[in-house]
Amino acid sequence: GDSVTQMEGPVTLSEEAFLTINCTYTATGYPSLFWYVQYPGEGLQLLLKATKADDKGSNKGFEATYRKETTSFHLEKGSVQVSDSAVYFCALTGTSYDKVIFGPGTSLSVIP
Amino acid sequence: DSGVTQTPKHLITATGQRVTLRCSPRSGDLSVYWYQQSLDQGLQFLIQYYNGEERAKGNILERFSAQQFPDLHSELNLSSLELGDSALYFCASSALAGTVTDTQYFGPGTRLTVL
Repeated sequence: GDSVTQMEGPVTLSEEAFLTINCTYTATGYPSLFWYVQYPGEGLQLLLKATKADDKGSNKGFEATYRKETTSFHLEKGSVQVSDSAVYFCALTGTSYDKVIFGPGTSLSVIP
Repeated sequence: DSGVTQTPKHLITATGQRVTLRCSPRSGDLSVYWYQQSLDQGLQFLIQYYNGEERAKGNILERFSAQQFPDLHSELNLSSLELGDSALYFCASSALAGTVTDTQYFGPGTRLTVL
């Protein structure tokens, strides 16, 4: 079935460092891909999305490109801030788009 | 703020009890989804309702049930609660029944603790 794999955390970076969180997926159809973020003690927020191959989603300095050839959707940010400390979930829509399938989440801590 | 509201924020109850979690979708959204987030299982899809009808089912236990009302709010009922049901329960909503461009927006969650 459809699934998402993402790099294990926790990831600890210094402020202004470059961030990459790897995400790969397995899907039988043409899913939409998402990154959701969960700040401490809060719910899930949609960070960015891409609905077809080669689409680039971007928001708040974060970017991810839908790579069908490598079945990947890696999250990147050029310069992280302390306020980016959170858990990041890569996700895709199921084959019939009726549910979101989440990866296990990657915890990011940014230290001053 | 996603526009999805969930009540209560926290719920503490005992094993064997029954609880009801409530969700109000974003204005205009027809679909409601329920998810469970636990330490061992991660984020798991439970069930989807679209315009009052059940549309998709995931890893939902038989002790759990849900419904969507004519005003489109939804309730998740959990009965015969066990310690392992302690988790964060999220509701999400989307405009349509689920299409390639549909996006799910999540509420803040209800944290259930079963003692």
